[in-house]
Amino acid sequence: DTGVSQDPRHKITKRGQNVTFRCDPISEHNRLYWYRQTLGQGPEFLTYFQNEAQLEKSRLLSDRFSAERPKGSFSTLEIQRTEQGDSAMYLCASSLPPLTGGNEQFFGPGTRLTVL
Amino acid sequence: AQSVTQLGSHVSVSEGALVLLRCNYSSSVPPYLFWYVQYPNQGLQLLLKYTSAATLVKGINGFEAEFKKSETSFHLTKPSAHMSDAAEYFCAACPGGTSYGKLTFGQGTILTVHP
Repeated sequence: DTGVSQDPRHKITKRGQNVTFRCDPISEHNRLYWYRQTLGQGPEFLTYFQNEAQLEKSRLLSDRFSAERPKGSFSTLEIQRTEQGDSAMYLCASSLPPLTGGNEQFFGPGTRLTVL
Repeated sequence: AQSVTQLGSHVSVSEGALVLLRCNYSSSVPPYLFWYVQYPNQGLQLLLKYTSAATLVKGINGFEAEFKKSETSFHLTKPSAHMSDAAEYFCAACPGGTSYGKLTFGQGTILTVHP
């Protein structure tokens, strides 16, 4: 198992453009999380999925943000009409369900977004 | 609402010296607690976790942390710092049990190790 992977690792875009990021979790993990980390801050929770169901969304996730996990495997995070304030590192993590000892989240390397 | 506070955004130690990174949590019930390390331009790697078992938790690379309910603290220590320990460290908490989901992170502490 190669761990959690994210693509792309870096994305530079112009304000107003749409961007989409992909996350591939560890294969047996049914929970998947998205976090956003700005410079000098800890990661902030955005949303998480159990299988294909989106169970919780942060208020940070404005209408311009949408996340999907259509088949319960990989997930995509789309940002529409990007703003300079969206510039950040977007981190994905995955875990097993709590009752099976899945209280550890494994993180991917992140996608760094720069909005010009 | 749950919150995590890390005291000191920057800590500097000499190689071989004790490392102490402080973390306090605010929660109505003891949460699960974690320490992660992040190297530049990389994701987060778990150092150790507390999940209501032993209060003294040992992790990777010689790190350990002690859960103190009375002080709502979960400080990270290492007896002897190595140059390779230089990185940013994050304390995180989440609700325990079946309600487990999102992690709430502290602001991070950058550890510098001097020769």
